[in-house]
Amino acid sequence: GNSVTQMEGPVTLSEEAFLTINCTYTATGYPSLFWYVQYPGEGLQLLLKATKADDKGSNKGFEATYRKETTSFHLEKGSVQVSDSAVYFCFSYTGGFKTIFGAGTRLFVKA
Amino acid sequence: GAGVSQSPSNKVTEKGKDVELRCDPISGHTALYWYRQSLGQGLEFLIYFQGNSAPDKSGLPSDRFSAERTGGSVSTLTIQRTQQEDSAVYLCASSFGGINTGELFFGEGSRLTVL
Repeated sequence: GNSVTQMEGPVTLSEEAFLTINCTYTATGYPSLFWYVQYPGEGLQLLLKATKADDKGSNKGFEATYRKETTSFHLEKGSVQVSDSAVYFCFSYTGGFKTIFGAGTRLFVKA
Repeated sequence: GAGVSQSPSNKVTEKGKDVELRCDPISGHTALYWYRQSLGQGLEFLIYFQGNSAPDKSGLPSDRFSAERTGGSVSTLTIQRTQQEDSAVYLCASSFGGINTGELFFGEGSRLTVL
């Protein structure tokens, strides 16, 4: 069946450090892939997306590339800020109700 | 409103009572989802509505849970005879159904505490 596996948190980094949050997926067919972010006390919001292999999604300095060969969609940012502290969810969508979220990775960024 | 609206934002109830949680999706969105987020956990899919089609209830954890969507818009999630393990944040999301690309718009959730 379809699944999404992302690295366990929490991840604690100092400001300006490099961030990677790993995400791998299994799916029948070709899913669209997303990263959602949940800031403290808020609902989830879309961070970036990629709908086909080799697409790169980017937003707010974050990037992720849809790698079909490794079934991965790792989230990266070159220099994190305290304001990036949040929970990040990797998400796979193959149509209709088939929405698969990863367990979430909590990121703490220290000043 | 411009976004997905959920109410109440917080609900404290006693074990055994029934609760209703409401979701008002973005106007024009035909797809609506309910999820449950337990403390420190990921999102658990509960139910999916698409237009006037029969909902997909495959994620509902027990027959104490039910949901309806009136007129293809507002949805109500009902939990009967609540149990302590039902304590969680219940999230609603909507999206364009016709050309659904999977981009979901979430409400801020309803936090349920069962004492």
